[in-house]
Amino acid sequence: QSVLTQPPSASGTPGQRVTISCSGSSSNIGSDTVTWYQQLPGTAPKLLIYNNNQRPSGVPERFSGSKSGTSASLAISGLQSEDEADYYCAAWDDSLNGWVFGGGTKLTVL
Amino acid sequence: EVQLVESGGDLVQPGGSLRLSCAGSGFTFSSYEMNWVRQAPGKGLEWVSYISSGGTSKYYADSVRGRFTISRDNTKNSLYLQMSSLRAEDTAVYYCAKDGDFYDSSGYPVAAFESWGQGTMVIVAS
Repeated sequence: QSVLTQPPSASGTPGQRVTISCSGSSSNIGSDTVTWYQQLPGTAPKLLIYNNNQRPSGVPERFSGSKSGTSASLAISGLQSEDEADYYCAAWDDSLNGWVFGGGTKLTVL
Repeated sequence: EVQLVESGGDLVQPGGSLRLSCAGSGFTFSSYEMNWVRQAPGKGLEWVSYISSGGTSKYYADSVRGRFTISRDNTKNSLYLQMSSLRAEDTAVYYCAKDGDFYDSSGYPVAAFESWGQGTMVIVAS
């Protein structure tokens, strides 16, 4: 059971906008920033979003993040086939003194 | 270009020990905080351990505390994870991850795993 809660799956058709939610608590998302990672099949994770809504250099503008209270969301607009991957949210937990991840959401592009 | 290369993964018996290494290049290794993150087969990501840039501050996941030790040698640009009393549930791909140079609007540093290695597989089985 992961400390952060994500839906196990999500799907969309090319060009659509999809969102993935991440629910936490006051000791993690509620008190610290959220990061999002994309993991393509058979590869290492890649940073998509840091500080709730900031994109590292090279990440397309189609990816955006938001946070409200103890929840966060990742939105992908203009969905493309290459976006098919697993997506993870993460945050520092002040009670656990460590990073916590969501269980991951498998995104399927139909 | 930032490169992180893990090594040391192997098949080990329950109760055994193993030392993982992560060699960093393409950046000033001694300036960055580092982490180990693992992924069991078919499962999600699990943070394992953190070490500050100078090595003085360390944190561990509850699942490994007391059994794993994180360390670094900044003169060798290397990160280590000494694992002992290994259990079947420690079977996973172990990634080292480098923190990034990120700041919020107030100029306060914010943490994120900016770069990841390709991972090294640890299998604990008899």
